[in-house]
Amino acid sequence: AQSVTQLGSHVSVSEGALVLLRCNYSSSVPPYLFWYVQYPNQGLQLLLKYTSAATLVKGINGFEAEFKKSETSFHLTKPSAHMSDAAEYFCAVSELTGGGNKLTFGTGTQLKVEL
Amino acid sequence: DAGVTQSPTHLIKTRGQQVTLRCSPISGHKSVSWYQQVLGQGPQFIFQYYEKEERGRGNFPDRFSARQFPNYSSELNVNALLLGDSALYLCASSSQGDQPQHFGDGTRLSIL
Repeated sequence: AQSVTQLGSHVSVSEGALVLLRCNYSSSVPPYLFWYVQYPNQGLQLLLKYTSAATLVKGINGFEAEFKKSETSFHLTKPSAHMSDAAEYFCAVSELTGGGNKLTFGTGTQLKVEL
Repeated sequence: DAGVTQSPTHLIKTRGQQVTLRCSPISGHKSVSWYQQVLGQGPQFIFQYYEKEERGRGNFPDRFSARQFPNYSSELNVNALLLGDSALYLCASSSQGDQPQHFGDGTRLSIL
């Protein structure tokens, strides 16, 4: 079975500092990996996806993630945090089903951005 | 274009009751999935439907059921509600295959 592990349920950074949110995956086949962001009282918004093309994936809002097969990792980074980045972030691995896919999510990382 | 829409946004039920949640996918998307998100946790997969057929089921009891209509909208039904069913229920749609899923804002279900 596929799974993801997010290290650190809470991460706090200063505004302007580097953001690093960690995700490790377990998959028996080449994985499709995603990062989603969830703001309070909202659904999940897709930040970026990895589907076996380039290993460095750029997403929205200045976020990017690097797929490292040797480390089974897909960490999310942003060079300079902004107050508006405060939210919960979920890493997910996808498994193809007939006609679509199902996502297995990590437990999430709550990002706090301080002045 | 409209995103994934879910109704109602909030719902309060008592134990033993039944509930129906509704979802309209993004226009052109034929796959709809349902997830349960308990407070403080990541979403858990419940069902996936494609072309009106169930294509995947998560580890949920038979009290949970769903269907997809010819217009690709979907309903999630939960019978004999338990306190532990209190959660945010998220619907997601995608076109097919490995295309990413797009989520609605969810239905917040509270069981008293």
